Amino acid sequence: GAGVSQSPRYKVAKRGQDVALRCDPISGHVSLFWYQQALGQGPEFLTYFQNEAQLDKSGLPSDRFFAERPEGSVSTLKIQRTQQEDSAVYLCASTWGGGGREYFGPGTRLLVL
Amino acid sequence: GQQVMQIPQYQHVQEGEDFTTYCNSSTTLSNIQWYKQRPGGHPVFLIQLVKSGEVKKQKRLTFQFGEAKKNSSLHITATQTTDVGTYFCARAREYGNKLVFGAGTILRVKS
Repeated sequence: GAGVSQSPRYKVAKRGQDVALRCDPISGHVSLFWYQQALGQGPEFLTYFQNEAQLDKSGLPSDRFFAERPEGSVSTLKIQRTQQEDSAVYLCASTWGGGGREYFGPGTRLLVL
Repeated sequence: GQQVMQIPQYQHVQEGEDFTTYCNSSTTLSNIQWYKQRPGGHPVFLIQLVKSGEVKKQKRLTFQFGEAKKNSSLHITATQTTDVGTYFCARAREYGNKLVFGAGTILRVKS
């Protein structure tokens, strides 16, 4: 079956521009996670949804970052007024429930110039 | 706090040599997961360990969870070029509302 998909795969933004990153989790997966991965680092947790409820957003680095999952399936991570330090790979992952293995999407590589 | 430390950061081995990466925590872990990320790819789940002293094998990969549930290791026997990538351990909460990843160990294999 289809895995987690993300779009766009690559995004180049000018500093100050807003961007929106999309994640399509595996059908039926209740939990959805966003991670930020800087070059040479492990993924860092950003936020977590259970269905449409955002249960943990403690990892969002600033109020410029906003995530939603209005119907409990597709999720969007929005970054307003992008800064160069936002350049990273943004990974989405989903699971059936609250624990166990996470299925990662291919990521969106964001470059802010 | 909740971080997991991984060593070494980087290892370059000759094809056929063994490789081991270690994951350590200052606090007891409910469970530990291991992921592999190929260059340019995304993390792919390898295994989850839950029980104290647990040992699991996947072909040439052996995973161990310490008796005190504060450390874990991944050992690869007779590395191959296909083993190249970064290996991450991640601590998972019992009710898993997030994973906390180690910094990873980069494995390079010379053929």
